[in-house]
Amino acid sequence: GDSVTQMEGPVTLSEEAFLTINCTYTATGYPSLFWYVQYPGEGLQLLLKATKADDKGSNKGFEATYRKETTSFHLEKGSVQVSDSAVYFCALSDPNAGNNRKLIWGLGTSLAVNP
Amino acid sequence: KAGVTQTPRYLIKTRGQQVTLSCSPISGHRSVSWYQQTPGQGLQFLFEYFSETQRNKGNFPGRFSGRQFSNSRSEMNVSTLELGDSALYLCATREGGSTDTQYFGPGTRLTVL
Repeated sequence: GDSVTQMEGPVTLSEEAFLTINCTYTATGYPSLFWYVQYPGEGLQLLLKATKADDKGSNKGFEATYRKETTSFHLEKGSVQVSDSAVYFCALSDPNAGNNRKLIWGLGTSLAVNP
Repeated sequence: KAGVTQTPRYLIKTRGQQVTLSCSPISGHRSVSWYQQTPGQGLQFLFEYFSETQRNKGNFPGRFSGRQFSNSRSEMNVSTLELGDSALYLCATREGGSTDTQYFGPGTRLTVL
């Protein structure tokens, strides 16, 4: 079945460092791909998404490119801030699953940014 | 628009009891999904309701059930609570149909003692 694999955390960076969180997936067909972020004590927020190969999703300085050849959707940010400290989740959804469509989640990667 | 709201935010129960959690979706959203989040298992899908009908279900025992009302508000119920049911329960809503993007509430933190 479909699955998502994320790099294990925690990831600890200094402010203004470059961030990469790896995400790879296994799916039949052409899934939609998402990054969600969960700040401490809060629910999940959609960070960005991409729905087809070579699409780049971007938001708040974060980017991820849908790479079908490597089945990857790595999250990047050029200069992290303390306020980016959170848990980041990669997820996929099969748009052809019709009413059975649901999000398949990675286990999450915790990011801590130190001043 | 107001966001997804979940009540209560925190619950403490003892083994064997039952609990009911509530989720009010964003106005116009007809689909409500429930997830269980634990440190060991991550996010696991419980079920999805659309227009008062369950249309998708995860691999959870029958102790976990849900329903949706005509105003799209949803409740989930867990009966005969076990220690392992301690988790953050998240509700996510979307417009329905072909829309992928889900919007999450803040969650209900359930602790079973």
